[in-house]
Amino acid sequence: NAGVTQTPKFRILKIGQSMTLQCAQDMNHNYMYWYRQDPGMGLKLIYYSVGAGITDKGEVPNGYNVSRSTTEDFPLRLELAAPSQTSVYFCASSYKTSTDTQYFGPGTRLTVL
Amino acid sequence: TQLLEQSPQFLSIQEGENLTVYCNSSSVFSSLQWYRQEPGEGPVLLVTVVTGGEVKKLKRLTFQFGDARKDSSLHITAAQPGDTGLYLCAGAHSNYQLIWGAGTKLIIKP
Repeated sequence: NAGVTQTPKFRILKIGQSMTLQCAQDMNHNYMYWYRQDPGMGLKLIYYSVGAGITDKGEVPNGYNVSRSTTEDFPLRLELAAPSQTSVYFCASSYKTSTDTQYFGPGTRLTVL
Repeated sequence: TQLLEQSPQFLSIQEGENLTVYCNSSSVFSSLQWYRQEPGEGPVLLVTVVTGGEVKKLKRLTFQFGDARKDSSLHITAAQPGDTGLYLCAGAHSNYQLIWGAGTKLIIKP
């Protein structure tokens, strides 16, 4: 099993550009999450999904969108990138709820200039 | 807004020393998880504590959940360079969300 995979690993965007961060898991987990991690700030939840076709906002959803058409994939879309979105983005998944172990991908380091 | 405060934010000690990292909140959590994150990687779960007063041991690491389920500590005995990393605590607030601390960056010098 590959676990949770994320692409790309690094990306530089110009202000106003858009991009999609890809996330896939092969553990048949129902729950998937997108976090951003800023230096010294811990992890902030952007969006989460409890199953295919169901998504909901987390703590910091503004400027992002998600979709969950399959159990395996949970892409994160950035529209009109801003410098404030410079961060490291982590995708995670868990089997049942947040009290279960969350398995994280290796992260995408995004810089918006 | 629920907060989990971790202390210290940064700790650099010599190999063989003992240390304790704290995770505190004014809120009650149903459970609390500790993760370790190495540079360039995602966090990896170390332990989950569920019952107030619970103590769990993982080799040289001892985790304790406060009686009121508002705080937790991680104690490392005889720290090794392999213990170096960012230690994150996360409290379970609802079925879908964890509240994360900002982390403690630990460096163990040989």
